[in-house]
Amino acid sequence: SYVLTQPPSVSVAPGQTARITCGGNNIGSKSVHWYQQKPGQAPVLVVYDDSDRPSGIPERFSGSNSGNTATLTISRVEAGDEADYYCQVWDSSSDHYVFGTGTKVTVL
Amino acid sequence: EVQLVESGGGLVQPGGSLRLSCAASGFTFSSYWMSWVRQAPGKGLEWVANIKQDGSEKYYVDSVKGRFTISRDNAKNSLYLQMNSLRAEDTAVYYCAREATTVTTLDYWGQGTLVTVSS
Repeated sequence: SYVLTQPPSVSVAPGQTARITCGGNNIGSKSVHWYQQKPGQAPVLVVYDDSDRPSGIPERFSGSNSGNTATLTISRVEAGDEADYYCQVWDSSSDHYVFGTGTKVTVL
Repeated sequence: EVQLVESGGGLVQPGGSLRLSCAASGFTFSSYWMSWVRQAPGKGLEWVANIKQDGSEKYYVDSVKGRFTISRDNAKNSLYLQMNSLRAEDTAVYYCAREATTVTTLDYWGQGTLVTVSS
């Protein structure tokens, strides 16, 4: 089955840029989506199709995808961005949704 | 406003059964694929199953095949997950989620219902 690997944690100071990676075999050929999950809450879609944002998501959230790595970038990080972030793809070989291992973003 | 409200979670003994429900509102339920996703305590997200608009296609993660059954009632705008032969490792918060129409992602999620399998 398809595996997506994320770093367990990323720390960033307020106002700086956080980059969260999502590694997978030839992930650049797939559409990657990103969710934000705050403690005790349901996940919220923040980026879809590699780099598009749903309505209501700040422009500070952006994404890219190439080769074996997709990246979620959070610019001008705020305290409210502290959360777990998950990448996700659709694995057509198994007809399954696949989630990454998750990254906890800590704002220093 | 899209709303998904899960119910039916609780404490169940190993080997027992439970039926989860998800009440949908704010959109045309019968036009969307729907999914169940779970999250064990302190762990990541795991997709469990999904179902086509008319219920004619269903897919499951290997770990629940033969034990869980996803279904829907479009007249009642409701999604269900029948869980049998429950194991301790099925303990998780179970989320109902709507699948986006043009992209392979889950665009709206419920708040989840906790299932605890323990003796």
